[in-house]
Amino acid sequence: AQKVTQTQTSISVMEKTTVTMDCVYETQDSSYFLFWYKQTASGEIVFLIRQDSYKKENATVGHYSLNFQKPKSSIGLIITATQIEDSAVYFCAMREAITGNTGKLIFGLGTTLQVQP
Amino acid sequence: NAGVIQTPRHKVTGKGQEATLWCEPISGHSAVFWYRQTIVQGLEFLTYFRNQAPIDDSGMPKERFSAQMPNQSHSTLKIQSTQPQDSAVYLCASREARGNTEVFFGKGTRLTVV
Repeated sequence: AQKVTQTQTSISVMEKTTVTMDCVYETQDSSYFLFWYKQTASGEIVFLIRQDSYKKENATVGHYSLNFQKPKSSIGLIITATQIEDSAVYFCAMREAITGNTGKLIFGLGTTLQVQP
Repeated sequence: NAGVIQTPRHKVTGKGQEATLWCEPISGHSAVFWYRQTIVQGLEFLTYFRNQAPIDDSGMPKERFSAQMPNQSHSTLKIQSTQPQDSAVYLCASREARGNTEVFFGKGTRLTVV
């Protein structure tokens, strides 16, 4: 069965620093997709970045990047030059591409990031 | 593009009453999902439609919960005989047909059962 685990409940960092949020996943599939989403204080859930399991190169979008370590089933999110507005809850999610291929996303419980001025 | 639209944004029902939640996916998106979010359980998958057909309802409670997608422009989630433990934020999401694309979430419906 697929499972996504985010062990960090909350993180506090100073503005303009770099933060890494951890995520490990479990899957029987050889092909899968990994996502990070952000939930703002208003409750809106916004897609940030994606990593396809067959791609070796780490994805990067703006000041978000991923640290994909396939042998460790790990997909860390790195935010560089953090800003106050990055304060939010960050969710890691996975979708299997083969088994059942229902397309559903399985989410971790989230990491709350607080960026201090 | 107005995004995924969910109505109502807030709903309060009395215990035992029925609640119907509405979702309008992004135009052209063929996959529609329902999730439930609570503090304790986090984001739980409920059900999934593809091209209006039910594909996976493995997350739906077997009793009282049902979902339909009568046309490509809307889906409903119905909860009969609501209970306090049904209180949660219900989120609808949609994506394109291609499997590796991200889902887009609506702003959710906060259901409170009193």
